[in-house]
Amino acid sequence: DAGITQSPRHKVTETGTPVTLRCHQTENHRYMYWYRQDPGHGLRLIHYSYGVKDTDKGEVSDGYSVSRSKTEDFLLTLESATSSQTSVYFCAIWEPGTSGGPGTQYFGPGTRLLVL
Amino acid sequence: QQQVKQSPQSLIVQKGGISIINCAYENTAFDYFPWYQQFPGKGPALLIAIRPDVSEKKEGRFTISFNKSAKQFSLHIMDSQPGDSATYFCAAIQTGANNLFFGTGTRLTVIP
Repeated sequence: DAGITQSPRHKVTETGTPVTLRCHQTENHRYMYWYRQDPGHGLRLIHYSYGVKDTDKGEVSDGYSVSRSKTEDFLLTLESATSSQTSVYFCAIWEPGTSGGPGTQYFGPGTRLLVL
Repeated sequence: QQQVKQSPQSLIVQKGGISIINCAYENTAFDYFPWYQQFPGKGPALLIAIRPDVSEKKEGRFTISFNKSAKQFSLHIMDSQPGDSATYFCAAIQTGANNLFFGTGTRLTVIP
């Protein structure tokens, strides 16, 4: 599982409240990612980070912000949660390949978020 | 715009049958094509992957077939088992990049 944990694993919140999801990795990987998974849409990239304080937007970044103050932690914040942000959120890391080969993406266990 | 298109969205197969999931891509710069398997309540996990310099890769009951000219690749699961019931994602990436492009997923159900 590449040492990835996510917290909380489940959360119910109300529309308009801020929510922060945490991803923690133990293996010092440079790249970290946040995805959301919804039926019919698969996995969609929200934001990713390529180092401490270095982040960039993915395809569905509106309404989300991220922060990475330490290599091991990548936080995803919903500033004001909406019902459309009800989803399962996955954190992932990128493990580079060896000898120039392709790398591998490893995913955390996911956080199930319900916005009422 | 979906960089990788996957079909079908769902698939029901009898135990012992062959499951086939298809993917297509447009970006000819993609040169690595992994498949991920996801069980309910878990994160996706790498199942098998292929590079376009070969037309087929087999690992146990799982085979990837790759057609570079058609820009298509597919996952074949031989002798499908109920334990194979999961959601499968195809993906694509260009060497040197760090962002995978995923298909929309196929939910496979294998009936005993």
